[in-house]
Amino acid sequence: AQSVTQLDSHVSVSEGTPVLLRCNYSSSYSPSLFWYVQHPNKGLQLLLKYTSAATLVKGINGFEAEFKKSETSFHLTKPSAHMSDAAEYFCVVTGGGNKLTFGTGTQLKVEL
Amino acid sequence: GAVVSQHPSWVICKSGTSVKIECRSLDFQATTMFWYRQFPKQSLMLMATSNEGSKATYEQGVEKDKFLINHASLTLSTLTVTSAHPEDSSFYICSAREPRASPLHFGNGTRLTVT
Repeated sequence: AQSVTQLDSHVSVSEGTPVLLRCNYSSSYSPSLFWYVQHPNKGLQLLLKYTSAATLVKGINGFEAEFKKSETSFHLTKPSAHMSDAAEYFCVVTGGGNKLTFGTGTQLKVEL
Repeated sequence: GAVVSQHPSWVICKSGTSVKIECRSLDFQATTMFWYRQFPKQSLMLMATSNEGSKATYEQGVEKDKFLINHASLTLSTLTVTSAHPEDSSFYICSAREPRASPLHFGNGTRLTVT
């Protein structure tokens, strides 16, 4: 069995300040973990993925995430938020096979 | 990179009619595609797994006679919402995975409104 918990349903930051979106997971297998971003009325775009290689994963648009097995976490960060980062972010886990388990999403708001 | 194309992006239909949504993998062959449904401000709910050349696998609680899935080729899966009702109004998203690759690629979704 696997599950993923996104700890914050909404996060609001000022443009130029750091972003932290939190994700904790559980999995019976060695997990693969992903972060996806969704803009309004659009599909999901892959930001980055962890698949048992380097624990610090760099993605697109300046985002990165660190896999911490001891904390069962995979938090998404970005040093400096941009207005275009405002969107819904989903943490996703798969422990084997094709089935993905989605978190409930975090709405990121970026203010001037 | 891999692209998944979904069509139409939005559709409005009358109650009782059927609507077909197409999902295509444009530059790779996808033996498996997935159909999700997303309610406003909620996460994605897996509806079914579409398998090329065989029957789809539906998640518990999803009516297979209402949501017909056909995966006739390695690049095309279709979802037909039959006898649509207003409660079927939602955002439907398909996805596919390249062979031997882990992340899913998603289509841009279809906004279905049943009046």
